[in-house]
Amino acid sequence: EPEVTQTPSHQVTQMGQEVILRCVPISNHLYFYWYRQILGQKVEFLVSFYNNEISEKSEIFDDQFSVERPDGSNFTLKIRSTKLEDSAMYFCASRRDTTQETQYFGPGTRLLVL
Amino acid sequence: AQTVTQSQPEMSVQEAETVTLSCTYDTSESDYYLFWYKQPPSRQMILVIRQEAYKQQNATENRFSVNFQKAAKSFSLKISDSQLGDAAMYFCAYRSAYYNQGGKLIFGQGTELSVKP
Repeated sequence: EPEVTQTPSHQVTQMGQEVILRCVPISNHLYFYWYRQILGQKVEFLVSFYNNEISEKSEIFDDQFSVERPDGSNFTLKIRSTKLEDSAMYFCASRRDTTQETQYFGPGTRLLVL
Repeated sequence: AQTVTQSQPEMSVQEAETVTLSCTYDTSESDYYLFWYKQPPSRQMILVIRQEAYKQQNATENRFSVNFQKAAKSFSLKISDSQLGDAAMYFCAYRSAYYNQGGKLIFGQGTELSVKP
């Protein structure tokens, strides 16, 4: 069964460094999402992406964040200058099209900013 | 803006018994989708069940069923014959059916379910 994959599973970085989180959505899916979950808190929406552009973003998704689909298979989230409060689990999700409402999640990347 | 509330931070159930997890939501929209996701200790998000707001019939998926009360904006999850593998954090989520919304999921705070052998 196809699944969403994410790399790395864990990432430790120093405050101020740039990180890139990678996701490979399910191959025939058209809608892509990033969510984050700070430890012990609920899952929060960051950004949605369709047709090679951002369709919606939350207040959390400020100028230090960017997303890209560089090669038709990967979907990346870049954090330009990490802060301590960026430490969280980051989930990628994908959805096939407008006829399918379910989002399928990847296993997540656990980011720790020191 | 839509909100999702799960008022039970923790629940406990005896193995083989039935447990119900509560979820309420607030929206002014008439068309939407509701989901329950399970998050085991691995923190993977796994879809448990989904309900379309335009359907009056409650969704069921094996041992999992929902009680969807649209007027009351309530969406509870019933787990029958609970198993040890059901122990996890359960999140209720809302999604607008209006496509200009981008399709984002709005999550509740979660309910931590423990299953006692």
